[in-house]
Amino acid sequence: QQPVQSPQAVILREGEDAVINCSSSKALYSVHWYRQKHGEAPVFLMILLKGGEQKGHEKISASFNEKKQQSSLYLTASQLSYSGTYFCGTEYNQGGKLIFGQGTELSVKP
Amino acid sequence: EAQVTQNPRYLITVTGKKLTVTCSQNMNHEYMSWYRQDPGLGLRQIYYSMNVEVTDKGDVPEGYKVSRKEKRNFPLILESPSPNQTSLYFCASSLGGLDTDTQYFGPGTRLTVL
Repeated sequence: QQPVQSPQAVILREGEDAVINCSSSKALYSVHWYRQKHGEAPVFLMILLKGGEQKGHEKISASFNEKKQQSSLYLTASQLSYSGTYFCGTEYNQGGKLIFGQGTELSVKP
Repeated sequence: EAQVTQNPRYLITVTGKKLTVTCSQNMNHEYMSWYRQDPGLGLRQIYYSMNVEVTDKGDVPEGYKVSRKEKRNFPLILESPSPNQTSLYFCASSLGGLDTDTQYFGPGTRLTVL
């Protein structure tokens, strides 16, 4: 039931773009995205509810394709501060149970 | 300062010795949850609580207990810890449901069971 994230790791140069995918084998109610820097707690980025809604702020946005049961996180014009591990968390029903993917390690180099 | 606090931050213990990790939030949040994080496995939910007196199992509840007698506190209890419970534990809280509000994580508790 754990969603599958791809890629597992990505290395970027500053200013480059990246896409991280989160795929589920079951129908999704919501998808949550978090970023975790080494040695720190995860930090919330955004929630997407079923309905194909796209959200975003500044240069980080995400989409939710209900038909494909997939969410994608888009990072544009990456900055050094974007480095970290990105996790998607999925709810299959409204109710509070959250299942995370295994994470995508993103490294932005100068 | 609005925050989620956990104590202790680091703990080394021995197999079978009961322990409690406390979690407290000062944001009047309804929802609270416990996660464990292990290399290669990501974050896994242990228990969650939608509100006071209501708790439910997450993905990996075996070997853990929780209680939610007050809104602000959500302690995690290991009645008889075993080495496979060595992990990094995070408590988190959210104002309402997960689908509407930001979930804030505590700083983490690193537990080693010998």
